[in-house]
Amino acid sequence: KNQVEQSPQSLIILEGKNCTLQCNYTVSPFSNLRWYKQDTGRGPVSLTIMTFSENTKSNGRYTATLDADTKQSSLHITASQLSDSASYICVVSDRGSTLGRLYFGRGTQLTVWP
Amino acid sequence: EADIYQTPRYLVIGTGKKITLECSQTMGHDKMYWYQQDPGMELHLIHYSYGVNSTEKGDLSSESTVSRIRTEHFPLTLESARPSHTSQYLCASSLEYEQYFGPGTRLTVT
Repeated sequence: KNQVEQSPQSLIILEGKNCTLQCNYTVSPFSNLRWYKQDTGRGPVSLTIMTFSENTKSNGRYTATLDADTKQSSLHITASQLSDSASYICVVSDRGSTLGRLYFGRGTQLTVWP
Repeated sequence: EADIYQTPRYLVIGTGKKITLECSQTMGHDKMYWYQQDPGMELHLIHYSYGVNSTEKGDLSSESTVSRIRTEHFPLTLESARPSHTSQYLCASSLEYEQYFGPGTRLTVT
């Protein structure tokens, strides 16, 4: 069964600290993996997209890594800010259909305290 | 910031009412999607469209219906709202790998 599991479910850190969020998936075949940021009451916004051949991608203070062999990805946030408080969703796409089916994780709820 | 819009943003309505959630995008994307999301849970695809006059049901069974008469417009309709329809509804459009989401409609059926 194709699944995307994220950990931890929730995380609280102090402003200025770093953190790493994890994503494990069983989706096969694999096309790409995305990380989205979703603020409360808003739609998800894309942070990074990585294909099979990419093992790291950065977007400002966000750095995503991908190990396609172990089917694991991480999102590292550097020097956290209060505005980083949000849900971070890992999404994996297969290449088995013309739709490019997306499999969503439940997200990690990050709270940054001052 | 993606040019995809949803209205209304919040809706509280009584059981049995007919409602239409609006979604429009100005990016000219052929593919559009509707997702349902409950708090703390993953997004579930309920409808998608490859283009004008093309609509398909998604993975999650839904009593809603959709139409795609114009490329930029993808409304979702519930003929008779029930409390079980209470949820957040997210519209998205895509180009290649990238999906762009609207801000969502928070629906509460009393």
